[in-house]
This record gives sequence, C-alpha cells and structure tokens, in this order.
Amino acid sequence: EAGVAQSPRYKIIEKRQSVAFWCNPISGHATLYWYQQILGQGPKLLIQFQNNGVVDDSQLPKDRFSAERLKGVDSTLKIQPAKLEDSAVYLCASRVRTVGNSPLHFGNGTRLTVT
Amino acid sequence: AQSVTQLGSHVSVSEGALVLLRCNYSSSVPPYLFWYVQYPNQGLQLLLKYTSAATLVKGINGFEAEFKKSETSFHLTKPSAHMSDAAEYFCAVLNTDKLIFGTGTRLQVFP
Repeated sequence: EAGVAQSPRYKIIEKRQSVAFWCNPISGHATLYWYQQILGQGPKLLIQFQNNGVVDDSQLPKDRFSAERLKGVDSTLKIQPAKLEDSAVYLCASRVRTVGNSPLHFGNGTRLTVT
Repeated sequence: AQSVTQLGSHVSVSEGALVLLRCNYSSSVPPYLFWYVQYPNQGLQLLLKYTSAATLVKGINGFEAEFKKSETSFHLTKPSAHMSDAAEYFCAVLNTDKLIFGTGTRLQVFP
C-alpha cells in the first residue's frame, strides 16, 4: 500500500510571498488532515476534510491560509501572504474511516522556511 | 476536551538500558490513545494504539505501552534501547476524529 505523498519536501520563501503544498492520501481514505508542526512542538491540526467537504477548520488562520480537496482525493494547502511565524513542517495525514480507533497515516511533510 | 501530557521533553539512556517515556491523558470517557515516532526529517509513524481489548499493547520495534486507568497513564517502554531508537516520540489522543498530540519527548541513546 502506497503511503501519503506530499510535495515539495522543502520550500524556502520570503515573507509576504505565497506558497502551496500538495498532498495525495492513501487510496480509499475518505478523511484528510493538515497539521502544522512548529520546531520543538507537537503537530497542531489546521483543517480536516471528509471526502471533499470541510469538517473542521476552526484552527486555520483564514486570513492567510486556505485549503481545498477537489474531487475528494488530492488536497492543496496555500499560504498567502506568508509570515515568519509560518516557518514549520506541514504534515498531511489520512484515515480510512472516522469510527473506532483507526489510526492516522502521515506523509513525510513539507518543511517551510520563511525568511 | 481530551488531552495528553508528556512528562520530560528529553530522555537520555545508554544503549541496552530500559526506555520509559511518560504520557498521561485527560478524558472523561475511555480514550483512544496512540504513540507515534518521528525520525529526523520524516513524518510520523505509528508505533502502537490502545484498544480496550487489552491493557498491555505491543507495537513495532519492540515497544509496548500499558494503559492504567487508575493512573490515567499510557507510558511507553522498551526493555533494551538501540541506537536506532533515537527519535522524537509523541503520545496522542483521538478527540472527535482528530488526533491531539502531546508536546513530544526526544529520546537520545548513547553507546
């Protein structure tokens, strides 16, 4: 089974620029998550999708962050304009179903550096 | 709301020594608990997950965790550390279909 794919692996941008991250979940996984992991901290949820609908985006800074999951498969996360404090690893995860204790499966993440 | 607390941001052990990483949870209902490991420049890999079927859970790479309701704990252990165990370890609880993570414990293993 192929894992969660993310690209790019690394990105360096200047503040006020825009950036986009891409995620392809495990085939058949209906639920997709984006997490932000700042250095030295645990991952924090940004947004959760169920198929192509948003379930929870309460922690997404909507003035600069946006995300979409067209056709209920791939997802993109965008930041515009970026701030220095957005420097972090952005992790995508997917889950086969939202019942029981089925685990989340994570990609390798995109490391963003904002200068 | 459910949450987890990891005691000790850094743990250092010698190769061959016991590994003990602490995690306490806060939940008013039986929680779904997980341990994940993160190697440098990689994503999170599932080590093990708690199911109500057994209080002692065995995971990959020789790790195991014991669920203790009386202590609201789910500590991670490994009898004998290996150099390759050096990584960041995260305890997490599933809360309304979302994983809530602890702050992580960095494990260092010395030869």
